[in-house]
Amino acid sequence: DSGVTQTPKHLITATGQRVTLRCSPRSGDLSVYWYQQSLDQGLQFLIQYYNGEERAKGNILERFSAQQFPDLHSELNLSSLELGDSALYFCASSPRESPLHFGNGTRLTVT
Amino acid sequence: GIQVEQSPPDLILQEGANSTLRCNFSDSVNNLQWFHQNPWGQLINLFYIPSGTKQNGRLSATTVATERYSLLYISSSQTTDSGVYFCAGGETSGSRLTFGEGTQLTVNP
Repeated sequence: DSGVTQTPKHLITATGQRVTLRCSPRSGDLSVYWYQQSLDQGLQFLIQYYNGEERAKGNILERFSAQQFPDLHSELNLSSLELGDSALYFCASSPRESPLHFGNGTRLTVT
Repeated sequence: GIQVEQSPPDLILQEGANSTLRCNFSDSVNNLQWFHQNPWGQLINLFYIPSGTKQNGRLSATTVATERYSLLYISSSQTTDSGVYFCAGGETSGSRLTFGEGTQLTVNP
């Protein structure tokens, strides 16, 4: 168990809908990262937060947004969903100069 | 940004065999990590190894930062080693990681 908790494990929704993925980092970790894993694009970095502030942004679509709350948990919001958004979404956390630990992911299926 | 190239893309072994996986980077990295994604999709961190050599049981890793590559050694492989092995690099210790495409390892009994 990595200590990073992601909910829900699975999510099935229709095109055009909006969903929220939740992540609780390991105790004491200030950095949270979101990654998307799809069959054709591999593991892609989406966004990073550090202690509530956005630290880095990857190829995150404008339809996607995220935030990190004062208790350090993070949410990834995906809106106007398309079939191509179907993927495994991972959250990870780490302290500085230490390994990145991933949650078990949320498998999103858009029908 | 950093480009990460892994080889081989696929590897099939008999139980008990040894193997070496390679990772090349386009630029120097100060944050280099290896991960194993098991058949259930879980991503497990194996090594945080920006330079030098580390060992953990049957696994070991070496990073030669000046030559921009890293190697992962698996000895006496077991069926439970099957899955995808990823290396990932970042500019600094807390920065985003860029992942390679992975090496799909299958260990047959």
